Amino acid sequence: QSVLTQPPSVSGAPGQRVTISCTDTSSSIGAGYDVHWYQQLPGTAPKLLIYDTTKRPSGVPDRFSGSKSGTSASLAITGLQAEDEADYYCQSYDNIARWVFGGGTKLTVL
Amino acid sequence: EVQLVESGGNLVQPGGSLRLSCSASGFTFSAYGMHWVRQPPGKGLEYVSAISTNGGVTYYADSVKGRFTISRDNYKNTLYLQMSSLRPEDTGVYYCVKEEDSRPRWDDGFDMWGQGTMVAVSS
Repeated sequence: QSVLTQPPSVSGAPGQRVTISCTDTSSSIGAGYDVHWYQQLPGTAPKLLIYDTTKRPSGVPDRFSGSKSGTSASLAITGLQAEDEADYYCQSYDNIARWVFGGGTKLTVL
Repeated sequence: EVQLVESGGNLVQPGGSLRLSCSASGFTFSAYGMHWVRQPPGKGLEYVSAISTNGGVTYYADSVKGRFTISRDNYKNTLYLQMSSLRPEDTGVYYCVKEEDSRPRWDDGFDMWGQGTMVAVSS
């Protein structure tokens, strides 16, 4: 069982906005640690999408954004595109379990 | 170009051993903490092990503690994972990953991932 809880799946039509939540069940996000998000396209390695909760690496479109409030973090994707269909993982640090990942969320573009 | 290339994955019987390697290029390897992350077939990501820049400090997930050993050779720009007493539940793709920030911090993200190497533990 993951320390960080994500919805198993979300979906949206092209052009819409979707959000993926990442909830702390222990002592990670709520302890003030940064959250990071990864995108994993089918058959490929994960790619850093958002780091330090709100920052985007070079080359990541500004359609992707991150936020945090209390013991939860969120990834928002606006202007949904077919190429965004992938698995998304949040990651942070936990005082007990150390580096932790969420269980992953499968995004389906309808 | 920043690149991480894993090798060493294979099919091994339960109780067996394997050594994974990760060759790094395109960045100052010795300046970054490094990790191994695995992904069982059809499942999510799982942290396995971490090592500090000089190799002096290491961390392990409880599931692999006492069976796996992480190490690095900063002259060869290579990260290793020695795995022993392998179990079927160790099956998965093993990724070598680089910390995003060269400053020591617990809650760093991972900005570079290798392509992964498959480890299958089965009789």
